[in-house]
Amino acid sequence: SAVISQKPSRDICQRGTSLTIQCQVDSQVTMMFWYRQQPGQSLTLIATANQGSEATYESGFVIDKFPISRPNLTFSTLTVSNMSPEDSSIYLCSVAPSGGASDTQYFGPGTRLTVL
Amino acid sequence: GQQLNQSPQSMFIQEGEDVSMNCTSSSIFNTWLWYKQDPGEGPVLLIALYKAGELTSNGRLTAQFGITRKDSFLNISASIPSDVGIYFCAGRSYSGAGSYQLTFGKGTKLSVIP
Repeated sequence: SAVISQKPSRDICQRGTSLTIQCQVDSQVTMMFWYRQQPGQSLTLIATANQGSEATYESGFVIDKFPISRPNLTFSTLTVSNMSPEDSSIYLCSVAPSGGASDTQYFGPGTRLTVL
Repeated sequence: GQQLNQSPQSMFIQEGEDVSMNCTSSSIFNTWLWYKQDPGEGPVLLIALYKAGELTSNGRLTAQFGITRKDSFLNISASIPSDVGIYFCAGRSYSGAGSYQLTFGKGTKLSVIP
């Protein structure tokens, strides 16, 4: 398995501002993903962070609101832009080390975001 | 999109009892995964299942990949207080362009009464 860290672990932000969340992995991984977990809910995939190309977004999520960077095989960032209280959630990055058909996903500890 | 029906939604059990939870879907999955999430933490992988019919154990946990590839169950034997948390099932399927996507159940919240 991979060791994944996220920064910040939590933040309280004002409406209209933006926050960038960092995800660092201790080894090179093929696939990195960003999820959102709203309070008391399950996990919803935001996008797949592709190394060297634009992220692939799921239905209901757009690049202008959630820009993603993936500069190398161990690091990715997710920005939550122009925040509103509805963006208050836990944001999680995950990795699939090999990216193969039988691969599993491992999750970081999450970033707990509260928007006032 | 694909959906997973996870049940029960919550459980209250006595310490020492066995626990069973399951996930069903109308879609076929290549892989079934079971995660546990503690408050304030990310989900931790408990068991991964790769083949239809596969039965896998991890300590007191046992999980099975349904023969139809549309369901999975997780059993916990002799529950202890640290088993408290939310358990998520997740199914992995091919989503095109060489990528695989995880679909998550809504979770089973387990409470253990000492």
